[in-house]
Amino acid sequence: SQTIHQWPATLVQPVGSPLSLECTVEGTSNPNLYWYRQAAGRGLQLLFYSVGIGQISSEVPQNLSASRPQDRQFILSSKKLLLSDSGFYLCAWTGTYNEQFFGPGTRLTVL
Amino acid sequence: TQLLEQSPQFLSIQEGENLTVYCNSSSVFSSLQWYRQEPGEGPVLLVTVVTGGEVKKLKRLTFQFGDARKDSSLHITAAQPGDTGLYLCAGLGGSNYKLTFGKGTLLTVNP
Repeated sequence: SQTIHQWPATLVQPVGSPLSLECTVEGTSNPNLYWYRQAAGRGLQLLFYSVGIGQISSEVPQNLSASRPQDRQFILSSKKLLLSDSGFYLCAWTGTYNEQFFGPGTRLTVL
Repeated sequence: TQLLEQSPQFLSIQEGENLTVYCNSSSVFSSLQWYRQEPGEGPVLLVTVVTGGEVKKLKRLTFQFGDARKDSSLHITAAQPGDTGLYLCAGLGGSNYKLTFGKGTLLTVNP
């Protein structure tokens, strides 16, 4: 069966520091992968998606970037965090009928 | 830009009551999905509806996709405290890779 991992689970970082969040998927090959941000337990904002290694589509101009160095690995990064980058970051992969399967999330607090 | 409006935003009811939450758009979606999310966790897929007018039942939950494929509803019968959570609808529209998410309905079922 497929599983999706995210780490770290929680992170507290100062403004201006770098960021790296990692997402890995097991049990499937060549998945479409997604990064979302969720503020205050509300709707999901799509940040990036990837349909293959090295292929990244950005949805919102921002302080973040994404990379997909391996088929089942998706990384979200920033060179300098802003206060507004705080939130709950979710990674997801897409099933056969475009349903999304989410990871456990990373709670990021920027101080 | 496709938008999905969910209503109500917040709903607090007593155990045993029935409720309906709505997901509306002016855009047509090829499919629509409902997710439930508990605090600190990723959303979990409940159902996918594909055909206009389709009705799906999942125990005490009934999902309906509008005839024109622009709206959907979720009805819960005899709500229980375990139904508490954030209910999100998401539609698959023009892009095969991206879902549009509503902002969610936060449901609290009091014992």
